[in-house]
Amino acid sequence: DIQMTQSPSSLSASVGDRVTITCRASQGISNYLAWFQQKPGKAPESLIYAASTLQNGVPSKFSGSGSGTDFTLTISSLQPEDFATYYCQQYHSYPITFGQGTRLEIK
Amino acid sequence: EVQLVESGGGLVQPGGSLRLSCAASGFTFSDHYMDWVRQAPGKGLEWVGRTRNKANSYTTEYAASVKGRFTISRDESENSLYLQMNSLKTEDTAVYYCARSKKDSSSGYGWVFDYWGQGNLVTVSS
Repeated sequence: DIQMTQSPSSLSASVGDRVTITCRASQGISNYLAWFQQKPGKAPESLIYAASTLQNGVPSKFSGSGSGTDFTLTISSLQPEDFATYYCQQYHSYPITFGQGTRLEIK
Repeated sequence: EVQLVESGGGLVQPGGSLRLSCAASGFTFSDHYMDWVRQAPGKGLEWVGRTRNKANSYTTEYAASVKGRFTISRDESENSLYLQMNSLKTEDTAVYYCARSKKDSSSGYGWVFDYWGQGNLVTVSS
């Protein structure tokens, strides 16, 4: 199985900040990488696929990059609604696997 | 508008069975792969399994942790997805989400989650 490791596990930031979350795959996955946002008590929401393609309706403050084993999610100009947990996911091969999550908290 | 509405969760004893349903609307159900994902209390997301679309003969894939115990099926006439869970264990306690997948337009290779249901809690306990 492909292991997905996110860093950091938690992150504190202020409104208006720009933050970057990293996701590393245990083997190369080309760009078959997605990002999800989950708020407490809610279902996840899909943000990005193919490492850098925004899902419909996702604001451009979210951006993704990377290929192979190393990927990043960047969120610019943080707003209160952006504080949530973020997960990466590889869909290169079965089983589909997720990172452990990065909890983004307000400083 | 795409909607995925789950039902069927609840409390079940270890060794018991339960069937979850996911009613889909707002899109052509047979065109899409459909997945189940679960989240144990306070934990991260775990993929459970997938059923492919009509063009790919509705074949299935499962996580090792549920293979042989869980079965994914779909009823195109009802636009519904199902997860039959047998031989349940306490570690199967989780919120279960159904999710729609669409073809990765950039690569034409993978299928990516785009819409999620609201989740349904399954508690396995004596």
